[in-house]
Amino acid sequence: QVQLVESGGGVVQAGGSLRLSCKTSGFNFDSYGMVWVRQAPGKGLEWVAFIGSDGTDKNYGDSVKGRFSITRDDPENTVHLQMKSLRIEDTAIYYCVREGQIGEPPDWGQGILVTVSS
Amino acid sequence: NVLLTQPPSVSVSPGQTVTISCTRSSGAIDSNYVQWYQQRPGGSPTTVIYEYDRRPSGVPDRFSGSVDTSSASASLTIFEVKTEDEADYYCQSYDNGNWVFGGGTKLAVL
Repeated sequence: QVQLVESGGGVVQAGGSLRLSCKTSGFNFDSYGMVWVRQAPGKGLEWVAFIGSDGTDKNYGDSVKGRFSITRDDPENTVHLQMKSLRIEDTAIYYCVREGQIGEPPDWGQGILVTVSS
Repeated sequence: NVLLTQPPSVSVSPGQTVTISCTRSSGAIDSNYVQWYQQRPGGSPTTVIYEYDRRPSGVPDRFSGSVDTSSASASLTIFEVKTEDEADYYCQSYDNGNWVFGGGTKLAVL
């Protein structure tokens, strides 16, 4: 079955950097677009970034544009989110999501907590 | 930018039917697929409806999705509500390829 396991979260000071990873299994990774979504404490879901199956199509939410970078490593079935110049408001649970192809639902990971401290 | 508007909260009694709406601010509601996610307290989101009205395997047929183009709205209807359905529900669609989420609706089963 589809599995998405996030790692790399933790506590970082404002202005610092962190790299999240999402190791996947159970499907043909190189055929799927991948997405990062975050949820600040007590708040709703916010789309962060998308990478297409070929790795060249990338989009970012306005609040992270220029600071975050999404990449994929197809041989390792892994998608990464490099986060720089972190702000207090980036504190959130970050979810890795496999975008569904036509006729398939999106699948979500369990999430990883990122805390940005002052 | 496209906005998706949901009611902040709804409440229902067990066994009753509840509908949660998701209204698109601009563009046709059927111009991009709509998904619905359930997030129980302390859990991660899971897909309950995708591509407007399709149910993933394992999701009870009590969950139903629909769209109303005249009001630019999508809806999630839960029939015969159970206490286990108490959760936050989010709609999601697209704006120029970017994901857009509604603000979420807290469903209370009283």
